[in-house]
Amino acid sequence: AQSVTQPDIHITVSEGASLELRCNYSYGATPYLFWYVQSPGQGLQLLLKYFSGDTLVQGIKGFEAEFKRSQSSFNLRKPSVHWSDAAEYFCAVGDSGGGADGLTFGKGTHLIIQP
Amino acid sequence: SQTIHQWPATLVQPVGSPLSLECTVEGTSNPNLYWYRQAAGRGLQLLFYSVGIGQISSEVPQNLSASRPQDRQFILSSKKLLLSDSGFYLCAWSVGGTSYEQYFGPGTRLTVT
Repeated sequence: AQSVTQPDIHITVSEGASLELRCNYSYGATPYLFWYVQSPGQGLQLLLKYFSGDTLVQGIKGFEAEFKRSQSSFNLRKPSVHWSDAAEYFCAVGDSGGGADGLTFGKGTHLIIQP
Repeated sequence: SQTIHQWPATLVQPVGSPLSLECTVEGTSNPNLYWYRQAAGRGLQLLFYSVGIGQISSEVPQNLSASRPQDRQFILSSKKLLLSDSGFYLCAWSVGGTSYEQYFGPGTRLTVT
C-alpha cells in the first residue's frame, strides 16, 4: 500500500527566507505526486503535481517541487516566503495504475511565518 | 470552469441524530467523487469514492454511508451520529476515469455534542 510521510509537523520560517518542506513516499511504481495547501477552515488547494517527465515542477504562488526517485522524495520549495504562505501543507500520492482511488495524504506540515 | 459546493458549512448535532452532508459539482460530467474526513493532526482519511451514479466504494468501516443519486451529487449520511464522527469533511472530484489531481470543496465542520 502506498504511504506518505511528512517528517516535520511544524516549521517556522522568517518572512523573506527560503522554505523547504519534506515529503517521502512509498509506492511500488512511479507515483503521481501532489502538494496541496490548506488555510484554516478552508478546503485544499492544489499547488503543483508530478506525473512524469521533468522532475522539477513549477506550481502556483511561486512554489516548486523536485521528484527524486532515488530518495523517494518530493520536497516542496519556495525561495522567499510571504506572510500569506502561513498554512497547512499536504503532500499526497495517487495511483498511477489507472484506478479511481482517492489520494493518500501525509499528515501535513504547519508552516508558521515570523515577521 | 468547474466548481464544487458543499453544505452546510458548519453543523452541530447531538449524539444519535441523523446526518446528511451534500456535495455538488458544476461544469463537468461523470466525475469521480470523494469524501474525506480530516481530524486534527491526522491528515485526511478517504471515506468513500464513486466512479458513477449508484457506485460507491467504502474505504473504512464506520458509522457513515454515502450515496450518489445524480451524476454530480454526492451525499454523506449517518443514521445515528457518534462523538467520534466530529471532524472536518471534505468533498473532492477528479476527472472521470483517472486518478489525476483532485479538487476540493470548502468543507463542512461537523461537531457532535
